[in-house]
Amino acid sequence: DTGVSQDPRHKITKRGQNVTFRCDPISEHNRLYWYRQTLGQGPEFLTYFQNEAQLEKSRLLSDRFSAERPKGSFSTLEIQRTEQGDSAMYLCASSLTGTGSRQYFGPGTRLTVT
Amino acid sequence: DQQVKQNSPSLSVQEGRISILNCDYTNSMFDYFLWYKKYPAEGPTFLISISSIKDKNEDGRFTVFLNKSAKHLSLHIVPSQPGDSAVYFCAASGGSGGGADGLTFGKGTHLIIQP
Repeated sequence: DTGVSQDPRHKITKRGQNVTFRCDPISEHNRLYWYRQTLGQGPEFLTYFQNEAQLEKSRLLSDRFSAERPKGSFSTLEIQRTEQGDSAMYLCASSLTGTGSRQYFGPGTRLTVT
Repeated sequence: DQQVKQNSPSLSVQEGRISILNCDYTNSMFDYFLWYKKYPAEGPTFLISISSIKDKNEDGRFTVFLNKSAKHLSLHIVPSQPGDSAVYFCAASGGSGGGADGLTFGKGTHLIIQP
């Protein structure tokens, strides 16, 4: 069990640029989740995949955000035309079963938009 | 609106004593509750969970209690150890805030264990 990994761990970008983050879940996990955490808050759900299908998106996920999981393994989260309000920790989690299953989190990618 | 609330931003407890962290929720559709622990620069780590059909779950030094009628849960850590110093998040699933399986988190409680 190598755990959930995320890359990069830190990203600094200028406002208006596009950024892409990668998440590699635990290999046998079929569900993958993206969350965003800002200072002083708990993680907020963004979206989740079951295998390659994106089953739900939060209203927090604006049109500038897109997530993919092309082969049901790793996932990418892209933010286009970044804004300062996008500065946050982006967390990825994975799980094996449905509702009620514990989710295993990666270390996160910290995004700073200047 | 915050569906999961942790009203104590921080809690200081002496080593060896009991730590009690509280969590309230508003969404009666939540059917599964979890506690996560988070150290700086790391992702949250699962601690313990409880289904809505139970009122208590125990795992070593950690016990979670659920009071459905009050929409309240608590995490007890006995005895508290220095390594327990971290931010603790209460989370819930089954409601609309996080999708079918997305978790809805509270803001966290920073637990500090004093030697």
